[in-house]
Amino acid sequence: DVKVTQSSRYLVKRTGEKVFLECVQDMDHENMFWYRQDPGLGLRLIYFSYDVKMKEKGDIPEGYSVSREKKERFSLILESASTNQTSMYLCASSPLGWAGELFFGEGSRLTVL
Amino acid sequence: SQQGEEDPQALSIQEGENATMNCSYKTSINNLQWYRQNSGRGLVHLILIRSNEREKHSGRLRVTLDTSKKSSSLLITASRAADTASYFCATDPNSGNTPLVFGKGTRLSVIA
Repeated sequence: DVKVTQSSRYLVKRTGEKVFLECVQDMDHENMFWYRQDPGLGLRLIYFSYDVKMKEKGDIPEGYSVSREKKERFSLILESASTNQTSMYLCASSPLGWAGELFFGEGSRLTVL
Repeated sequence: SQQGEEDPQALSIQEGENATMNCSYKTSINNLQWYRQNSGRGLVHLILIRSNEREKHSGRLRVTLDTSKKSSSLLITASRAADTASYFCATDPNSGNTPLVFGKGTRLSVIA
């Protein structure tokens, strides 16, 4: 069964802390994505990656960076967390090609105090 | 950039009734997809319809696509309380290597 695993379902961090959100997929998918979801704003794309060590900015990359050292793992990094980064973060993957189905993880709800 | 816009934002119906949700988008697309999200969980893919298709069925789901009006609808027939969730449309823009763009979703409540 297809699986995208996000390491933490709930995190509470303080302003200024460095935050790592980890995502692992076991489907050998080329493409991986990080979205954030906020009430009334839907899903917004932060970063995506189409290959190991490759990354592309999405619609809202400011304040975030990503790392993809291995095909199965895509990490989202908040270098210095701020309260406006309190959100639900969703990781997804898809096989080669942009047009197909996305497989999502369960989400990581981050609260920055 | 938000491409799809779902309508209505929220919908409340009785069990057994049909639920219809609409999605409008702005630019030409390769395909349109519908996803479901239970509260506090990740999204799950429901159905994909290509730009050259007009209608598609999957179980109790029926999706239509009108590319001339840049709109799609998702019909859930004989709804159940377990259908309570948010439903999102996502478009695959016909503009090079661009990832899916999601709408803001319709919140469906099915009352038993």
